[in-house]
Amino acid sequence: GAGVSQSPSNKVTEKGKDVELRCDPISGHTALYWYRQSLGQGLEFLIYFQGNSAPDKSGLPSDRFSAERTGGSVSTLTIQRTQQEDSAVYLCASSRYSGRQDTQYFGPGTRLTVL
Amino acid sequence: QQQVKQSPQSLIVQKGGISIINCAYENTAFDYFPWYQQFPGKGPALLIAIRPDVSEKKEGRFTISFNKSAKQFSLHIMDSQPGDSATYFCAARDDKIIFGKGTRLHILP
Repeated sequence: GAGVSQSPSNKVTEKGKDVELRCDPISGHTALYWYRQSLGQGLEFLIYFQGNSAPDKSGLPSDRFSAERTGGSVSTLTIQRTQQEDSAVYLCASSRYSGRQDTQYFGPGTRLTVL
Repeated sequence: QQQVKQSPQSLIVQKGGISIINCAYENTAFDYFPWYQQFPGKGPALLIAIRPDVSEKKEGRFTISFNKSAKQFSLHIMDSQPGDSATYFCAARDDKIIFGKGTRLHILP
């Protein structure tokens, strides 16, 4: 497809389990972003990848969260030992470059529910 | 500290009316101000954006007004339609985009 895709669309897990969320950016986009959207809290920046540069991990809320981007394309966000407060929609976005005015295109998100 | 403050949290407008959403920021390094529209079950999508060297930008029924001295900007939706019902996020960018908390807009048919 032409847009950003994310999988799974929904994930229900038990507290303490690990989860992996996947993002396929738009082909040719060099920048990839992960955000977390909680009810009433807007979009919280988590991590940003730009080409081969070291990722900006400044938004990751704890060391239980990690992300990687393989081959400059697909990205995986991993949450270890999930907690109930991790329940949220996790959004991925990509942009052609990382310039300030480059449009970020968002995927539909993965809704994570931690029981 | 919330860098971009958005209000109101929710808004109900009659069809044909004007919807107004306001945002304020503190960081004078912000130099790009996009607005995103999000429908249920979808990711946000860029609606309209403005740079601080202009005071207004209009695209169809959507207008951004920008007041650099007051560090405020707003989205106006003219002739609001039921299809405009969505959540709207203002944002500001320097090295990263900082989003407001969103406004849930409902247009009454």
